[in-house]
Amino acid sequence: QVHLVQSGAEVKKPGASVKVSCKASGYTFIDYYIHWVRQAPGQGLEWMAWIKPNSGDTKYAQKFQGRVTLTRDTSSSTAYMELSRLTSDDTAVYYCARNGYSSGTVSYNWFDPWGQGTLVTVSS
Amino acid sequence: DIVMTQSPDSLAVSLGERATVKCKSSQSLLYMSNNKNFLAWYQQKAGQPPKLLLYWASTRESGVPDRFSGSGSGTDFTLTISNLQPEDVAVYYCQQYYNVLQTFGQGTKVEIK
Repeated sequence: QVHLVQSGAEVKKPGASVKVSCKASGYTFIDYYIHWVRQAPGQGLEWMAWIKPNSGDTKYAQKFQGRVTLTRDTSSSTAYMELSRLTSDDTAVYYCARNGYSSGTVSYNWFDPWGQGTLVTVSS
Repeated sequence: DIVMTQSPDSLAVSLGERATVKCKSSQSLLYMSNNKNFLAWYQQKAGQPPKLLLYWASTRESGVPDRFSGSGSGTDFTLTISNLQPEDVAVYYCQQYYNVLQTFGQGTKVEIK
């Protein structure tokens, strides 16, 4: 069974950075993209970025360019999302999600499954 | 970026009745080479991560009840929940994956009347 398990909640001060992990199991980690989506309290879903674990290639939403960095450790099947220069607007639940279909060079980016989410609170 | 707009923002439907959620994209999601619409629907219950319901606009994910159905093509899509059940209370999101920069609709909250 495919699972994504994220690291625990974080509390950070404005200006700090946070790094969230997402450990995959139940499938071949390098074969599927990992996406990051966030959800501010009471708000909708906001796609942030993806990483292709096989190559390390990344793509970031323009809003997060320069502030978010995605990495991965293929030996432990874990993806990481680091967000820097935090402000109160970054208070949100951060989700990782796997893309829904990958076969050879063909991938389609609906999201399934999702991690359980990591609450990041930014407060002075 | 492709902008996804859902309507309404919320709706209340009686048990057993039909709920209809609309999603409109700022450009066509129909990919001519495979004649598929690059649109997915998700359900998010309170305190839980989203759950995939449909992809290719109308293909039901394994295990999703057949009262959930999707339709539409190009820029206009519909999620229909037939015979609404108490466990269907949730926020529903559409998402386009036509573009490498994926985007979501703002969500539609479905409640029981």
